[in-house]
Amino acid sequence: AQSVAQPEDQVNVAEGNPLTVKCTYSVSGNPYLFWYVQYPNRGLQFLLKYITGDNLVKGSYGFEAEFNKSQTSFHLKKPSALVSDSALYFCAVRPSGYSTLTFGKGTMLLVSP
Amino acid sequence: NAGVTQTPKFQVLKTGQSMTLQCAQDMNHNSMYWYRQDPGMGLRLIYYSASEGTTDKGEVPNGYNVSRLNKREFSLRLESAAPSQTSVYFCASSESDYNQPQHFGDGTRLSIL
Repeated sequence: AQSVAQPEDQVNVAEGNPLTVKCTYSVSGNPYLFWYVQYPNRGLQFLLKYITGDNLVKGSYGFEAEFNKSQTSFHLKKPSALVSDSALYFCAVRPSGYSTLTFGKGTMLLVSP
Repeated sequence: NAGVTQTPKFQVLKTGQSMTLQCAQDMNHNSMYWYRQDPGMGLRLIYYSASEGTTDKGEVPNGYNVSRLNKREFSLRLESAAPSQTSVYFCASSESDYNQPQHFGDGTRLSIL
């Protein structure tokens, strides 16, 4: 069975500093990986995805993620955090041959001024 | 651009009452999903519909039923609500290509006393 782990419940970073939100996965076969963001009282919004090709994926709002097959990781990164980046971030995986996503438990990102 | 619309936004029920959560999308998507979000649990898939006329169970289907009324609408029914079903429910839709992102509504916050 597939699974996604987000090892940190919360990440704190100062505005202007780089941020990383970690995600590791476990699937059989090729993984298709996604990051979503959720602001308070809103639904999830798509940030970026890795399907195939370049291991470094760029997405919305200046976010990027690096797919590392040997470490089974797909960490979300941003070079310079903004206070407005404060939100709940979800990593999700869709194994090859499946039609649905499995989500991690989420990581709360808090960016302080 | 309405996207995915969920009604109602909030609801309080008593144990044993029944209720239907409504979801409609205007993006001509074939696939629709129902999730529940609980603190520390991430999003868990309840049911999904790959196309009009089909529905399949997800990770946590017990206590729920669904109806894909037409291509636009996908409803979730609680026949006899239980306190364990207190949660935030999200509907999502996507294109048939499962590598395309899912689009989420803003959720229904359901409390069962």
